[in-house]
Amino acid sequence: DAGVIQSPRHEVTEMGQEVTLRCKPISGHDYLFWYRQTMMRGLELLIYFNNNVPIDDSGMPEDRFSAKMPNASFSTLKIQPSEPRDSAVYFCASSLWSSGYTFGSGTRLTVV
Amino acid sequence: GIQVEQSPPDLILQEGANSTLRCNFSDSVNNLQWFHQNPWGQLINLFYIPSGTKQNGRLSATTVATERYSLLYISSSQTTDSGVYFCAVDGRGGSEKLVFGKGTKLTVNP
Repeated sequence: DAGVIQSPRHEVTEMGQEVTLRCKPISGHDYLFWYRQTMMRGLELLIYFNNNVPIDDSGMPEDRFSAKMPNASFSTLKIQPSEPRDSAVYFCASSLWSSGYTFGSGTRLTVV
Repeated sequence: GIQVEQSPPDLILQEGANSTLRCNFSDSVNNLQWFHQNPWGQLINLFYIPSGTKQNGRLSATTVATERYSLLYISSSQTTDSGVYFCAVDGRGGSEKLVFGKGTKLTVNP
């Protein structure tokens, strides 16, 4: 398996623009997680899905953030409109129940 | 929510030295994982270890769930071990959602 695949690796966008981050989990994994990493706040869980259903989105900062998982092999995290404070590395991870997480390589987002 | 404390925050070693990293958590857990974030930012799962002891090469981990701590041992350290080591746990209730500690930054000098 190729692991968890995220795209793009880097994204630079202007404030106010829409940003879409993409994730392909490992085939057969039934959990998918979106985390954000910043120097100030460390690794924070934004949202996670089980069998494509959102289970906990309490970490989503505000209504500007939304996430979908239309099928077992694809998820998106959208920010609209983007703000400079959204600049961070966004990680996607997948797992099977009671097994370890596998993280993707992350998307480094810079909002200018 | 559950609190995760890692120590030490920073550690500098010479190549070949051994080290022990500690993770304390404030509540009972069903899921505990150790991760290594390398200098390029990749997060690698080292161990899934809610209890007991596991070994993988030069790395081993022990979790004493009743006393709410876990230890990560690195033996004969190499420069490629440099990076940040994170401990992450779930909260009571067995959620798959993990809460991460702030990490231990390890630097191994040649």
